[in-house]
Amino acid sequence: GQQLNQSPQSMFIQEGEDVSMNCTSSSIFNTWLWYKQDPGEGPVLLIALYKAGELTSNGRLTAQFGITRKDSFLNISASIPSDVGIYFCAGRSARDNQGGKLIFGQGTELSVKP
Amino acid sequence: NAGVMQNPRHLVRRRGQEARLRCSPMKGHSHVYWYRQLPEEGLKFMVYLQKENIIDESGMPKERFSAEFPKEGPSILRIQQVVRGDSAAYFCASSPFNPGQLTITNEKLFFGSGTQLSVL
Repeated sequence: GQQLNQSPQSMFIQEGEDVSMNCTSSSIFNTWLWYKQDPGEGPVLLIALYKAGELTSNGRLTAQFGITRKDSFLNISASIPSDVGIYFCAGRSARDNQGGKLIFGQGTELSVKP
Repeated sequence: NAGVMQNPRHLVRRRGQEARLRCSPMKGHSHVYWYRQLPEEGLKFMVYLQKENIIDESGMPKERFSAEFPKEGPSILRIQQVVRGDSAAYFCASSPFNPGQLTITNEKLFFGSGTQLSVL
């Protein structure tokens, strides 16, 4: 089946540092979404992207929909301890016409050292 | 304004038993999705339902798994004769229905806290 390759798998950073993670796909996507998941909880939507080239911010988070429609990145600036968690990219393939059928990346586990 | 409610949060079953997972979507949402998450992996789509209809079950195993979303009451994901490999976190998500913005609105999924199924 279709897959998203998300990297890095994990990151250990110092509080205050910036963070960058990305996702790539072998096929074209119509939508890219970034979620954060805390232990024992469901994913929470952070940013949604709908157009190639789109750059969207949500506080200290910035995400972009790649021009080729096959990739997306998420940046977190000036990280704080509560940023700890697992970040997932998710996308809707151009081949799929069901709105909520998303393909998820494997996740990036972020650890922030105070 | 309650979010997506799933119960139970934790479910322990022995091999061969049945597991029933319940999901109540957010108020006003008529689309429900079930996803499965294995340890240290991303979520995998299982099934998409609207009230009384299964829209897409392409991610659901053909045997032992079934899902419903009746006119009244929560959506149910049912796993018969569970095996150890069924152990996972099962997440339900819902989205609103807006005919004027169908494509964009449907993609904003709101997830529940999940049911952790452990098969002994």
